[in-house]
Amino acid sequence: NAGVTQTPKFRVLKTGQSMTLLCAQDMNHEYMYWYRQDPGMGLRLIHYSVGEGTTAKGEVPDGYNVSRLKKQNFLLGLESAAPSQTSVYFCASTRTGMNTEAFFGQGTRLTVV
Amino acid sequence: LAKTTQPISMDSYEGQEVNITCSHNNIATNDYITWYQQFPSQGPRFIIQGYKTKVTNEVASLFIPADRKSSTLSLPRVSLSDTAVYYCLVGGVYTGGFKTIFGAGTRLFVKA
Repeated sequence: NAGVTQTPKFRVLKTGQSMTLLCAQDMNHEYMYWYRQDPGMGLRLIHYSVGEGTTAKGEVPDGYNVSRLKKQNFLLGLESAAPSQTSVYFCASTRTGMNTEAFFGQGTRLTVV
Repeated sequence: LAKTTQPISMDSYEGQEVNITCSHNNIATNDYITWYQQFPSQGPRFIIQGYKTKVTNEVASLFIPADRKSSTLSLPRVSLSDTAVYYCLVGGVYTGGFKTIFGAGTRLFVKA
């Protein structure tokens, strides 16, 4: 099992460009999450999904959109990238809610110039 | 939301027991406490989770007092490979949403 796989691992964007980060999990988990991690800080929840076709806002959702068209995939979109979105993005999945073990991907390092 | 506070960093030596305490004064009834370990350039990895009292697994113990306003992660006999950042997470499912709060993390440095 691959667990949680994030694509791409690195990306540099120009301000105003758009992109989509892909998260795929092969554990048949119901819940999926997108976090961002900035230097010296913990992870902050951007959006999450409690099942196929559902999405919800987390702590810092502004500037991001998500979709969960298939149970195994959770996409994070940046419509118009800003330097403030320079960060490391982590995807995670859990069988149910966060009261169970979360499995994280390796992260996507995004730089917006 | 329950905010968490952890020491920024800790040093230890190989073979010692390390205890990292997390403060979460405003923890809610629905909240569980979870600890994660993170190495550079990797995603966090689950260590242990608890609701109250004591939980033990093959790698760590988690102590939670009766008032649940703090928790202590105990790592027995640490090795150099335990050098990492440790995060305390308080979260749960609430009506109308889902909340998680990650602490800023404790950077543990294990010396030979």
